[in-house]
Amino acid sequence: EPEVTQTPSHQVTQMGQEVILRCVPISNHLYFYWYRQILGQKVEFLVSFYNNEISEKSEIFDDQFSVERPDGSNFTLKIRSTKLEDSAMYFCASRGDFQETQYFGPGTRLLVL
Amino acid sequence: RKEVEQDPGPFNVPEGATVAFNCTYSNSASQSFFWYRQDCRKEPKLLMSVYSSGNEDGRFTAQLNRASQYISLLIRDSKLSDSATYLCVVNKDAGNNRKLIWGLGTSLAVNP
Repeated sequence: EPEVTQTPSHQVTQMGQEVILRCVPISNHLYFYWYRQILGQKVEFLVSFYNNEISEKSEIFDDQFSVERPDGSNFTLKIRSTKLEDSAMYFCASRGDFQETQYFGPGTRLLVL
Repeated sequence: RKEVEQDPGPFNVPEGATVAFNCTYSNSASQSFFWYRQDCRKEPKLLMSVYSSGNEDGRFTAQLNRASQYISLLIRDSKLSDSATYLCVVNKDAGNNRKLIWGLGTSLAVNP
C-alpha cells in the first residue's frame, strides 16, 4: 500500500539554525499539507499546497516558514531561523484529487535547543 | 468557543465494554467530519469518516448531528488494542483546500 514518508524521523537543532523537513507524498496525489503537533497539544494546520503554490496558510506559518516541491516527488518544509517554540512533531499529508482522506506520514520530531 | 471540542478523558474501561466519545464543532458551514486515531508519538490514522446517515465499521459506529453540530463515536466490545487517543476532525472548507481542524483528542485506556 502506498504511503507518505518523511525524513528525518528526529532532528535536534540549535535556536536560530535553519532546518529542512522532507516528505515524499503518495505518488499520484495532488494536494499536500503540513501540520504540526506540540507535545500534549492538538494537531494544527500549517499550510496546504496545490499546483506548485500555497493554497492556504495559517497564522503560525509566518515568514520564517516556506514550502517547496523541488522535483515533483519531494515536498519540503523549511524553517529559516528556528525558535524554541518550533519544537514539535511535524506531519506531512497528501490527498488525491476528488478524495476526502488525507494520508499522513510518520512525522518528524523537531527539538530546538 | 473552540472550533472542535472534545472531552479529553481519560476514559478507563475494561475489555469488552462499550464506550462513547462526543465532539462538538463551532462552524455550521463545516463540510466533512472524521474520527482519527493516534497512538502515542505516532501519526494520526483515519479511523472513519462520519456521515449524516451514520455509519458503522465493525465495532465502531459514528454519528453526525448537523443541527446540534455534534459528532459521536461508539466503540463496542472494546479491545486492549483500542487504547489510543481519538481525534475528532472537521473540514470546514467547501473548496479543494480541505484543511483539517482538529480536536485535542479523547484518551482511551482499555484495561484487561
